[in-house]
Amino acid sequence: AQKVTQAQTEISVVEKEDVTLDCVYETRDTTYYLFWYKQPPSGELVFLIRRNSFDEQNEISGRYSWNFQKSTSSFNFTITASQVVDSAVYFCALSEETSGSRLTFGEGTQLTVNP
Amino acid sequence: SAVISQKPSRDICQRGTSLTIQCQVDSQVTMMFWYRQQPGQSLTLIATANQGSEATYESGFVIDKFPISRPNLTFSTLTVSNMSPEDSSIYLCSVEKLRSQDTQYFGPGTRLTVL
Repeated sequence: AQKVTQAQTEISVVEKEDVTLDCVYETRDTTYYLFWYKQPPSGELVFLIRRNSFDEQNEISGRYSWNFQKSTSSFNFTITASQVVDSAVYFCALSEETSGSRLTFGEGTQLTVNP
Repeated sequence: SAVISQKPSRDICQRGTSLTIQCQVDSQVTMMFWYRQQPGQSLTLIATANQGSEATYESGFVIDKFPISRPNLTFSTLTVSNMSPEDSSIYLCSVEKLRSQDTQYFGPGTRLTVL
């Protein structure tokens, strides 16, 4: 069965600090997809990235970067030079090829960036 | 991506009543889903809304409690029936545009409070 663990329930940083959000997943499939979503206080879920299991290249998008390591079943998310607007709950999610489109979400990490 | 709207955005309801939530997408999509997010928790998939046929429910969710319709490729409704305070949650619809295991984009959510 698929499972996603986000061990950090809450993280608090000061603006301009770098912060890494951890995500560890479990799956028996060889083909799977990993996602990160951001949920600001307004409540909507904003898509950030999708990664398939055959693409271990790290991704960088502006201040955001993602580190995918199959050897440790991790898909960590780093925000560089954090800003107050980054304050939100961040969810990591997994879908397995054999489970169709069913997304399994981690418990989320509440990130607070203080000025 | 896709532009997704939900109505109502929030509601306060009395115990024992029912509420129908609408999800409208700005373009045709292949898949539509309904999720529940209980206060302070992660997202849980309720069901996949199938166009022209009965929805596919996840374990722990039943049609009598959460009837779903999807009359066409851009619209779906979720009804929360015979509500109790435990149904107080955010209900979100999501869509996949092209194919199974594509990126899921989420609507803004409906915040439901049951008194």
